[in-house]
Amino acid sequence: AQSVTQPDIHITVSEGASLELRCNYSYGATPYLFWYVQSPGQGLQLLLKYFSGDTLVQGIKGFEAEFKRSQSSFNLRKPSVHWSDAAEYFCAVGGEGGNNRKLIWGLGTSLAVNP
Amino acid sequence: EAQVTQNPRYLITVTGKKLTVTCSQNMNHEYMSWYRQDPGLGLRQIYYSMNVEVTDKGDVPEGYKVSRKEKRNFPLILESPSPNQTSLYFCASSLGDRDFSPLHFGNGTRLTVT
Repeated sequence: AQSVTQPDIHITVSEGASLELRCNYSYGATPYLFWYVQSPGQGLQLLLKYFSGDTLVQGIKGFEAEFKRSQSSFNLRKPSVHWSDAAEYFCAVGGEGGNNRKLIWGLGTSLAVNP
Repeated sequence: EAQVTQNPRYLITVTGKKLTVTCSQNMNHEYMSWYRQDPGLGLRQIYYSMNVEVTDKGDVPEGYKVSRKEKRNFPLILESPSPNQTSLYFCASSLGDRDFSPLHFGNGTRLTVT
């Protein structure tokens, strides 16, 4: 069965530091992978997605993620964090058929940014 | 502005008192969905709709109803709310259900049932 694990429930970084949020998935075939961000008091917004091709994908707000099939991972990175990046980050995986109704969501990682 | 609008943002009610949370999108999206978000449980899908008059259960449909009479609206109905339905609810929409078109989320409705 498909599953998504975000090992870190909560992460705190200093403003200007680099960031990596981990996401591991379990899926038998090539997965479709997503990162969404939920800013305080807001709904979720798509940061980036991986469908195929280049394993390093660029997203909005200066984020990128790298798909590593051998490690079943899709980690989110940002070279320099801004205070406005404090939010909840969700990794999600989808399978064959491309159906949003079948997305599997991770439990989220809460990011705090120290000034 | 393209958006998904949920109302109300906050709602406190008592057990058994019927309530409706409205959701409206202005993007002509076919697919709409309701989620609840709870600490330690993440996002769980309640119901979804592929198009007008087409709805189906998600992972946690018990105690909820939905309808899709118009393309833009997808209200969530709690006929007899109970305290275990206290949660943060999100409505989402996408162009279609296929090809993983990006989901657009509303800002959420925080429901407390006492």
